[in-house]
Amino acid sequence: DAGITQSPRHKVTETGTPVTLRCHQTENHRYMYWYRQDPGHGLRLIHYSYGVKDTDKGEVSDGYSVSRSKTEDFLLTLESATSSQTSVYFCAISESGFGGLHFGNGTRLTVT
Amino acid sequence: QKEVEQNSGPLSVPEGAIASLNCTYSDRGSQSFFWYRQYSGKSPELIMSIYSNGDKEDGRFTAQLNKASQYVSLLIRDSQPSDSATYLCAVKGDNAGNMLTFGGGTRLMVKP
Repeated sequence: DAGITQSPRHKVTETGTPVTLRCHQTENHRYMYWYRQDPGHGLRLIHYSYGVKDTDKGEVSDGYSVSRSKTEDFLLTLESATSSQTSVYFCAISESGFGGLHFGNGTRLTVT
Repeated sequence: QKEVEQNSGPLSVPEGAIASLNCTYSDRGSQSFFWYRQYSGKSPELIMSIYSNGDKEDGRFTAQLNKASQYVSLLIRDSQPSDSATYLCAVKGDNAGNMLTFGGGTRLMVKP
């Protein structure tokens, strides 16, 4: 999967707890993205990064924050998890921001 | 709100037939178009990109773009059971910061 590792692969957590998902890339690509995928909604962008410490919101950013302190790592944090954040989360990377994205294997998050 | 529409399917075709997958989009400023294949429980995989009107062929796959009609399609020739998957259409504007917007996907079933 284009040198992208997501961790953890599966996580079950309780409502109200903070959760951090990690995306690590070995491709040295400038752009990194976090998407969530839900039945009936498809893939929706949460946040993206266009460089170290440079991030911007996507269409479903409420309740999520991100950080990128190194080129290779992009962290997604759910400040206080809710059941509506139960989803499959995908990290993706792009070299230029113009071409297609390459996705990691995903993290299945369940909030109980 | 930029929209990308796909028939959810399932689209069922016999082995060896041509599968035709269609996608329409709302933003006339869209410049880049992508097709992803997603097997059940797996991450999306980029299979085709197209940027100008007309056809683009890659092996058994042909992407077709008509910007005037805001329509992009994917043809799969000599369909195989291994092509059974969900196919996602995605579109993007001409700025590197533009988001990639995904359609909901069409589920393709190729029957032996």
